[in-house]
Amino acid sequence: GIQVEQSPPDLILQEGANSTLRCNFSDSVNNLQWFHQNPWGQLINLFYIPSGTKQNGRLSATTVATERYSLLYISSSQTTDSGVYFCAALRDKLIFGTGTRLQVFP
Amino acid sequence: DTEVTQTPKHLVMGMTNKKSLKCEQHMGHRAMYWYKQKAKKPPELMFVYSYEKLSINESVPSRFSPECPNSSLLNLHLHALQPEDSALYLCASSQEAHYSGNTIYFGEGSWLTVV
Repeated sequence: GIQVEQSPPDLILQEGANSTLRCNFSDSVNNLQWFHQNPWGQLINLFYIPSGTKQNGRLSATTVATERYSLLYISSSQTTDSGVYFCAALRDKLIFGTGTRLQVFP
Repeated sequence: DTEVTQTPKHLVMGMTNKKSLKCEQHMGHRAMYWYKQKAKKPPELMFVYSYEKLSINESVPSRFSPECPNSSLLNLHLHALQPEDSALYLCASSQEAHYSGNTIYFGEGSWLTVV
């Protein structure tokens, strides 16, 4: 089956810093989503991005489907950005990546 | 605000108990899912319902029994669970099933502890 790997596994930032999270997938996909899982467990949709670039406030994402990767950019990070970021790739089912745990300190 | 509602948020049950997790969505979605997430791991698919019919069962043990009474409701019946079944159980829905590439929306999850 398709493999979805994320890097880095852990990231510690000070408030105001920028960061880039990467998602690599081993085969072509129909869809790519980014989620933020908050400390209470809820998975919040960030982007539905099978290809191209999208922006939403301080967050943006780019997927290059032909090269099988996606990037999530977080600018001017805030403590509320802390949590786990998952990408998830869709073939016949949604496969989650390994996750990046982000901690933002004041 | 989540549009997928799960109850209860927390559940502690003994290994001989029978309990159920419930999930509801009012977005008119025709596909609903159960995922299981262990600590520090990504969510893993358990079941997919499409148009109220079970379409995917990821070889889940029979002590987990899903039910889809109608297009808005999804239940997960639990019986004779083991302590290793303790996890976060996530319900999700989408307009159509996985292969259509629709955005999938998740509920807040039910934290299950088996003692």
